[in-house]
Formats: sequence, structure tokens, C-alpha cells
Amino acid sequence: ETGVTQTPRHLVMGMTNKKSLKCEQHLGHNAMYWYKQSAKKPLELMFVYNFKEQTENNSVPSRFSPECPNSSHLFLHLHTLQPEDSALYLCASSQPLQVSTEQFFGPGTRLTVL
Amino acid sequence: AQSVAQPEDQVNVAEGNPLTVKCTYSVSGNPYLFWYVQYPNRGLQFLLKYITGDNLVKGSYGFEAEFNKSQTSFHLKKPSALVSDSALYFCAVRGLNTGGFKTIFGAGTRLFVKA
Repeated sequence: ETGVTQTPRHLVMGMTNKKSLKCEQHLGHNAMYWYKQSAKKPLELMFVYNFKEQTENNSVPSRFSPECPNSSHLFLHLHTLQPEDSALYLCASSQPLQVSTEQFFGPGTRLTVL
Repeated sequence: AQSVAQPEDQVNVAEGNPLTVKCTYSVSGNPYLFWYVQYPNRGLQFLLKYITGDNLVKGSYGFEAEFNKSQTSFHLKKPSALVSDSALYFCAVRGLNTGGFKTIFGAGTRLFVKA
């Protein structure tokens, strides 16, 4: 497989559930990102990892917990979410963090919180 | 404050006609500007970027964009639109002052190309 893959593609969960989103990149990149995409709102950066170290937490509520065990894998652990957390969650990767590098995105996980 | 504006929620164009999707930005220092496209049920896909040099940047699928420093704009253009160009387009900016390596995205412009 090539590019950036995300699983699952769709997820429905209750507010008391615990679930995890997985992202894997096959591009040899060293930076990985989580974004939240809600309808009619700009993309919201959630977390940035560079060489497995978290470099950005954009004031994300603690019910979202990221994990980056290596440069190819990124997880987003979800716990006691709210209905307003329903959105498309996008993972992206890039070459080591430089201001001029573009990002490569996965297809996203469509999350619905009931 | 750093920001990106895409003033049009939607752009409609007939197939074969030229298209323009507008973007203006506000960032301290030199901007690094990007365009991404999102097709239905897909993630964002990189189209082109401006870093430095020639103000006219050419990218994928026949798209190009012109950097205009005085107008702080980076409009996306294509000489002849295809129905398959119909998608959601995002302008984005990065700068040394946008908070480390944070990319600021516009709200997106939906392009409809009619056959």
C-alpha cells in the first residue's frame, strides 16, 4: 500500500465508548498530523508529531489522546466524546518539519458520536 | 493575526471555460502558500505551492496559481475547466510566524464545473 491510510473509514460510537483511530504512512515521512474537519469550518489542526515527539497540541480537549509509537504510525484514542465531536478526522504526514513542506493526507475517518 | 480567506463558498463554471478560485492571506513575514483539493470521500491532495521565485506557480492537473505580494493574494487558476475538476479547494499558508509549523487553512471553495 502506498500513501497515507486510515482505519476505520467510518465509526459510530456512544458517548461512553472508548475507540481508537489509526493512521499509517508509507512515504518515509517523519512528521505526522491529526486534523478535524467539520462542515463549513476551516480545517482544525489538533496535534503534530515530529520524529515521534509531539510538537503541537492545539488546545485539544483531553478526551482526545494521540499516540505516535514510530514515525509511520499515529493513533488517536477517543474517550467520552460529545456529539459535537462528530466530524471527519484526517491524518497527514510530511517530510521533517520545515515551513515549506506540503502535507499528504489520508482519506479520513468519518466519526459520528451518538 | 495570521489568516487565510477564501471569499467565495462556491464557484460555478462551464466546462472549457477558464476558472479562478480566490485566496487572500494575512501573515507576518514571507508566506509559504499552498493549494489543496478534496474530492468526495477523500482526504486533501496537494496541488501546488509557492515558496519563492517566479510568482506564477504551475501544479498538478493543469492548475496554476499567481502570487501577488502587493495584493496578498494567491488565486488558483486553470485555463480550461473539466467536469472532473469539481471538488472542494483549500488555500493554506504557513509562515515562520504562524505558530511553529502550523498550517492555516481557508474554509474552502466548492467548485462546480457544468458540462
